[in-house]
Order: sequence, then structure tokens, then C-alpha cells
Amino acid sequence: DIVMTQSPATLSVSPGERVTLSCRASQSVSSNLAWYQQKPGQAPRLLIHGASTRATGIPARFNGSGSGTEFTLTISSLQSEDFAVYYCQQYNNWPPRTFGQGTKVEIK
Amino acid sequence: QVQLVQSGPEVKKPGSSVKVSCKASGGTFSSFPITWVRQAPGQGLEWMGRLVPKFGIVNYAQSFQGRVTISADKSTSTGYMELTNLRSEDMAVYYCARGVDILDSWGQGTLVIVSS
Repeated sequence: DIVMTQSPATLSVSPGERVTLSCRASQSVSSNLAWYQQKPGQAPRLLIHGASTRATGIPARFNGSGSGTEFTLTISSLQSEDFAVYYCQQYNNWPPRTFGQGTKVEIK
Repeated sequence: QVQLVQSGPEVKKPGSSVKVSCKASGGTFSSFPITWVRQAPGQGLEWMGRLVPKFGIVNYAQSFQGRVTISADKSTSTGYMELTNLRSEDMAVYYCARGVDILDSWGQGTLVIVSS
């Protein structure tokens, strides 16, 4: 199985700050990488697919980049509603479609 | 806008089975695939398997092979995930989601408690 490793595990940030989350794949997944946001008690929500394409209705402050084994999710100016856990997921290699362990973005 | 509505919480004994449903509104299962993902308490997301109803294709994660069955009833636009031989580590929230690879719409989740 491809192992997806996210860093850091937790990020303490103040509103308005720029945030960078990392996701590394144990082998190349090309650009077949998605990012999801999950708030407490809620289902995950798709943010980014194809490594850099924002899903419908996702604000422009969310940007994804990378290819191969190294990926980044950047939130340009963190809003109060952005405090959540973020997961990356590869859908290049089969099976299974593996998720990273998540990065929690918390209020500083 | 497709909405996925899952069945309610379940309490099961070790060794028993659970079947979780996922009903689509605003679309039908014949037109989109469904994936099942679970999340143990305080843990991350674990991909379980997927169904492509249009082609009758089902794939499972190796870790669930032999214990999980994913199916769909096209007449009622409802998908199902059945997990057998439950153990304590199967206690989790189970989610259905639309999509084969990119999961763009999710159910609200179903809590399955496994306890003797």
C-alpha cells in the first residue's frame, strides 16, 4: 500500500495567518491527490482534487500544489471557519485509496 | 445536488454483523459510484471499498476482504455496507461518499458501537 504521511500533526495558528500543510507519498501518485477538510462531528468535505483543482464552492484562499510524492495545501489567510483537520488522499495506486493521518489546524 | 442520508447508529455484539444504508436524493446510484470510508474514535480516515453500480464492479481494501460486502439497490437509490464478524476495533463512524476516487459528497456518517 502507498503510505501517505502528513506533517505537522498539529498546527497552532492565529486567524489571518498563512498556513502550509504537507503531504508526502511513499511512492509517486502523479497528480492524483485530493485534500479533505473535516470539522468535529461532521463528515469530510472535498477541498482539492488533481493536486491543485479546487472543488466546487471552495474559496480561493485554499490552494493545492505538488506532484509525484510531495504535496502542499496552503490556506492564504486563515479564517475562523478553517480550524479543522485536513486529510490528503491518493487515488493513483490501487488498492486501496489511502489517506494521510491528518493535520489538525487549531487556534493559537 | 446529491445528498446522501445514512441509517442511524447501531450497537452490536462482537461476532455479529452490521448493515449500514446510504440513500441518495437528487440522483440515483445507477449514475454514480459509491465509496465507503470509516473513522475510529479520534483516528483518521480508512478507505474500505467502492461500488460502481453501472458496471457492477466492487473493490475492497485487503484489510476488509472476506468481511465486508458493498451493494446497492438501484430501485431505491440506496447503497449498503455490511461488515461481519465484528470486533471491538470495528467500532467507528462509517461514511458513504459519492465517487470512485474523488469523493465529492458524503453522508452524515453512522456510528457503529461494538460492545458485549
